[in-house]
Amino acid sequence: AQSVTQLDSQVPVFEEAPVELRCNYSSSVSVYLFWYVQYPNQGLQLLLKYLSGSTLVKGINGFEAEFNKSQTSFHLRKPSVHISDTAEYFCAVSRNYGQNFVFGPGTRLSVLP
Amino acid sequence: DTAVSQTPKYLVTQMGNDKSIKCEQNLGHDTMYWYKQDSKKFLKIMFSYNNKELIINETVPNRFSPKSPDKAHLNLHINSLELGDSAVYFCASSQDPRAGGEYFGPGTRLTVL
Repeated sequence: AQSVTQLDSQVPVFEEAPVELRCNYSSSVSVYLFWYVQYPNQGLQLLLKYLSGSTLVKGINGFEAEFNKSQTSFHLRKPSVHISDTAEYFCAVSRNYGQNFVFGPGTRLSVLP
Repeated sequence: DTAVSQTPKYLVTQMGNDKSIKCEQNLGHDTMYWYKQDSKKFLKIMFSYNNKELIINETVPNRFSPKSPDKAHLNLHINSLELGDSAVYFCASSQDPRAGGEYFGPGTRLTVL
């Protein structure tokens, strides 16, 4: 069974600073990778996804992620964060048309003024 | 127009009861999903339907049953509710069945007393 690790449960960062949220997965087969965001007391929103093709994926709100097969990682980055980026971020992995879809435990990003 | 809607937003009920949560999407997507988020914010996919056929069932107890009367609706029926069923349930839809949820509903907070 595959699993997803998000090493940082909380990441505080100052406004306009860059941020990287780490995600590693365990799987021996080809996977699909996702990042979701959940703003305080709100639902989920898909930030970006990797299904195939270029390993650098650009998403909404200025976020991007890079798929690194050799390191089994899919880290999320943003060059300059805003207060409004404060939220919980979830990495997820699936394979074979959505089977074994697994979420990581989440990383709480707090952007400080 | 809301892309993915769920009713009710809040649901409070007694143990042992049977309840349903409704979900509708007006995006014309082929695949719909149900997710569960527990009190610790941990997310788990429960079901997905693609063109009215179940394509994922993540070992969810058989007290939970998805029902899809048509492509735009995926309702969640729960029998014999237990305390552990208390959670927020999110419905979602996507055009690509590999994608997991792309558009999410606002969630239904279920509290079992």
